[in-house]
Amino acid sequence: DAGVIQSPRHEVTEMGQEVTLRCKPISGHDYLFWYRQTMMRGLELLIYFNNNVPIDDSGMPEDRFSAKMPNASFSTLKIQPSEPRDSAVYFCASSLTGPNYGYTFGSGTRLTVV
Amino acid sequence: GENVEQHPSTLSVQEGDSAVIKCTYSDSASNYFPWYKQELEKGPQLIIDIRSNVGEKKDQRIAVTLNKTAKHFSLHITETQPEDSAVYFCAASIAGNQFYFGTGTSLTVIP
Repeated sequence: DAGVIQSPRHEVTEMGQEVTLRCKPISGHDYLFWYRQTMMRGLELLIYFNNNVPIDDSGMPEDRFSAKMPNASFSTLKIQPSEPRDSAVYFCASSLTGPNYGYTFGSGTRLTVV
Repeated sequence: GENVEQHPSTLSVQEGDSAVIKCTYSDSASNYFPWYKQELEKGPQLIIDIRSNVGEKKDQRIAVTLNKTAKHFSLHITETQPEDSAVYFCAASIAGNQFYFGTGTSLTVIP
């Protein structure tokens, strides 16, 4: 298996622009997670899905952030409008059995908002 | 919610020596404790995990111990090698809920 695939690997955008991050989970995994990593705050869970349904989005920082999972093999995280403080590495992860078992991370998207 | 503290934040060891990273958690209901290794420009990778019904687990040069009474767990790496250099994260999870990550330990193995 190719693992969890994220795109793009790097994204540089201007403040105010819309940014869309993409994730393809491991085939057969029924949980998908979006994390944000910064030096100041470490790894933060933004949202997670089970069978394509959002279960907990309490970590989503504000209304500028939204996530979708239209099918079992694809998810997006959108930021509109983007701000410099959104600069971070965004990770997608998937799991076969549930949120309390180890899961597999993608390689991340490094977002820079200038 | 759960609070996970991790120490030390940085650790340097000579190649061949052992490294120990410690984490504490606050919620006694936590029952699953994974450890992740993150190399530069990569995502965290699960290296070992332990569940609350087990006190110790070993996989070659790495081992994890859990003390439920004291609410702490530790990662032990023996015979360290330069390729062990990375950032290590501990996490705790309550059944059915999210992972709570520690703040990470940057391990450097000096050849």
